[in-house]
Amino acid sequence: DIQMTQSPSTLSASVGDRVTITCRASQSISSWLAWYQQKPGKAPKLLIYKASSLESGVPSRFSGSGSGTEFTLTISSLQPDDFATYYCQQYNSYSRTWTFGQGTKVEIK
Amino acid sequence: EVQLVESGGGLVQPGGSLRLSCAASGFTFSSYEMNWVRQAPGKGLEWVSYISSSGSTIYYADSVKGRFTISRDNAKNSLYLQMNSLRAEDTAVYYCARGFAVERFDYWGQGTLVTVSS
Repeated sequence: DIQMTQSPSTLSASVGDRVTITCRASQSISSWLAWYQQKPGKAPKLLIYKASSLESGVPSRFSGSGSGTEFTLTISSLQPDDFATYYCQQYNSYSRTWTFGQGTKVEIK
Repeated sequence: EVQLVESGGGLVQPGGSLRLSCAASGFTFSSYEMNWVRQAPGKGLEWVSYISSSGSTIYYADSVKGRFTISRDNAKNSLYLQMNSLRAEDTAVYYCARGFAVERFDYWGQGTLVTVSS
């Protein structure tokens, strides 16, 4: 199975900061990567799909990049509403499985 | 507006069974793949099961294969998860999530909590 590893696990940042979260796959997944935001007690929300496509309605300060095994989610200027946990997720078309990273919590510095 | 509303969670003893439901509205349910994703308390997300729009194709995570059964009723706009032989490690919030282009989950329900404990 493909493993997804996010780093860091926790990130402390201030409003206005540029924030980058990395997700690494144990083998190439082309661009089959999505990013989600989850706030406490709430369902995850899709932010980015196919590594770099912004989901409709998501602020443009969110962006994704990468392909193969290394991917990044960038928040260009952190806003108060962005303090949350972020998950990457891959789809393996061979094994027909979906796998999430362990999550990155973005907290207030 | 797309809405997914899960129900059926609760407290069940190890070895017991539970059936979760997800009521869908605001979109043409029969045109979309659906999934169950769970989250153990304080832990990350784990995909559980997938069903195609017609119900003809189904996949499971290894952790639930042989114990859980996903199904859907397109006439009732509903998704189900029959969970048998439940274990303590199945304790989690279970979300139904709409699949889009197979590879992503674009809408999620609010989740229903399943607790497996004696």
